Amino acid sequence: DSGVTQTPKHLITATGQRVTLRCSPRSGDLSVYWYQQSLDQGLQFLIQYYNGEERAKGNILERFSAQQFPDLHSELNLSSLELGDSALYFCASSVGSQGPNQPQHFGDGTRLSIL
Amino acid sequence: AQKITQTQPGMFVQEKEAVTLDCTYDTSDQSYGLFWYKQPSSGEMIFLIYQGSYDEQNATEGRYSLNFQKARKSANLVISASQLGDSAMYFCAMREVLSGAGSYQLTFGKGTKLSVIP
Repeated sequence: DSGVTQTPKHLITATGQRVTLRCSPRSGDLSVYWYQQSLDQGLQFLIQYYNGEERAKGNILERFSAQQFPDLHSELNLSSLELGDSALYFCASSVGSQGPNQPQHFGDGTRLSIL
Repeated sequence: AQKITQTQPGMFVQEKEAVTLDCTYDTSDQSYGLFWYKQPSSGEMIFLIYQGSYDEQNATEGRYSLNFQKARKSANLVISASQLGDSAMYFCAMREVLSGAGSYQLTFGKGTKLSVIP
């Protein structure tokens, strides 16, 4: 158990809809990262939050947004969903400011299926 | 831009044997970190081992060791005494330092699927 909690584990929805994925980081971790894993693109970094502030952006679509709340949990919002958004979405956390040697610990992922 | 290359899409190893999974990387940074993660068929990503670019000793964690050859820009994972439970996808990743303190994203390779044969 990594200590990172993601809900829901599975999500099935239709094109054009909007969903919210939730992540609770490990206790004490200030950084939250979101990644998307798809068959064609592999594992790709989407966005990072550190202590409530956006810190870095990767290959995140404009239809996607995220935020980190004062209790450090994070939500990833996906809107106007397309078939190509079907993927496994991971949240990871790390201590963040303690230096780059800290590994990122991943949650079990949310598997999103668009019908 | 940084890049991670894993040239072995799939590998087979006999139970109790050792296996090496290859990873090469490309970076112009002097300070970087290399990670290996395991992804079983159930889907979760499990952190295995870390190597820093300034570490002189190769990292080891139990049956996992990292063969770090900085001049060759390679960071191969060695699994000793393979077990059936080692069957999984293995990903090599590099920490990319982005602007600002505390900004560290991981860039992943495409992975190697390891199958352990009884």
